[in-house]
Amino acid sequence: GENVEQHPSTLSVQEGDSAVIKCTYSDSASNYFPWYKQELGKRPQLIIDIRSNVGEKKDQRIAVTLNKTAKHFSLHITETQPEDSAVYFCAASTGSSASKIIFGSGTRLSIRP
Amino acid sequence: GAVVSQHPSRVICKSGTSVKIECRSLDFQATTMFWYRQFPKQSLMLMATSNEGSKATYEQGVEKDKFLINHASLTLSTLTVTSAHPEDSSFYICSARGVSNADTQYFGPGTRLTVL
Repeated sequence: GENVEQHPSTLSVQEGDSAVIKCTYSDSASNYFPWYKQELGKRPQLIIDIRSNVGEKKDQRIAVTLNKTAKHFSLHITETQPEDSAVYFCAASTGSSASKIIFGSGTRLSIRP
Repeated sequence: GAVVSQHPSRVICKSGTSVKIECRSLDFQATTMFWYRQFPKQSLMLMATSNEGSKATYEQGVEKDKFLINHASLTLSTLTVTSAHPEDSSFYICSARGVSNADTQYFGPGTRLTVL
């Protein structure tokens, strides 16, 4: 089955700097890669996703890149703000209606004022 | 956007009792629902996948007789933790996937289960 690895487990950056979180996946059939933000005690919230037919997607300060050959995908957050502090999860799925989403282990992002 | 609710949000029970958690899709029909368990400072671990009208598919290592899942309608799935023990204490989160957008999963707010 699919295995998703995520690094780093914790990340502390100065406010205004960029943060990068990296993930790898094992199943070459995976073609849908969502990223979730989870605040303490709350549900995961989808912040951006990418499908395997594109290499990069951007939404304001958030961007995701995908390298299908290497089975790598990354989340980039620019101009970080205190409200970006949370746990971020990458995930992978084959994208069909019956397919499951497999989560990475999570990255705890802290933004230093 | 699509809304998924869970009930109850918190439950405390005695060891040996059973607890039922409901997951509802409020404004869309969910052909597939997923149940996750999340321990403190850990990731979401998929427990099972349920499709309306059929038996749930459990992940390896998840006891189907202990975690009973029923998906009787396109808007409701239930998870029953039978004979709960302290090690079952966790954050249980459901998600639902609709027909129109097969990729996206919408998550419920989670249920915090504490077994004394």
